[in-house]
Amino acid sequence: DVKVTQSSRYLVKRTGEKVFLECVQDMDHENMFWYRQDPGLGLRLIYFSYDVKMKEKGDIPEGYSVSREKKERFSLILESASTNQTSMYLCASSLWREKLFFGSGTQLSVL
Amino acid sequence: GQQLNQSPQSMFIQEGEDVSMNCTSSSIFNTWLWYKQDPGEGPVLLIALYKAGELTSNGRLTAQFGITRKDSFLNISASIPSDVGIYFCAGHNGQNFVFGPGTRLSVLP
Repeated sequence: DVKVTQSSRYLVKRTGEKVFLECVQDMDHENMFWYRQDPGLGLRLIYFSYDVKMKEKGDIPEGYSVSREKKERFSLILESASTNQTSMYLCASSLWREKLFFGSGTQLSVL
Repeated sequence: GQQLNQSPQSMFIQEGEDVSMNCTSSSIFNTWLWYKQDPGEGPVLLIALYKAGELTSNGRLTAQFGITRKDSFLNISASIPSDVGIYFCAGHNGQNFVFGPGTRLSVLP
């Protein structure tokens, strides 16, 4: 079975903290994505990567950065967390336009 | 960014009934995907479609890639309580994935 694993299901952080969200996939996919999901706003793309050490901004990259040092791992970094970054964060991976697989999500609360 | 249109927004059905929902766009897509998401969980892929006119089943679920390549349909037959959740569609337009807002399904016993 294909697997996208997110390191934490729930996280509570304080405003100003640096936050790392980790994602690992075991399908040898080139493409990896970070989305956030908020009620009424749907899924919004933060960053994506088509290859190791490569990254592209999505629709809402402000306040976030990413790292992809290995093909299977894609990290999302909140340099200085703010309350408006409280959200469900979803990592996903795919082979180009084929099936997109999601992780279980990380519910982040910033206090 | 672009978003797909999904209807209905929500639906309440009796256990055992069949369900139909659809996803539409003003532009063409090369891939259609259907997901189910439970509260607090990540979306789970149900069906993937890659060709116009393609009809694919996964158990009680059947989905179709519209002939115009601008829409897709998902049918659930003989609904059961565990079908409750949010179903949403996604399409790939050759550049990126685009998502619908979801259809919330409630199944009454």
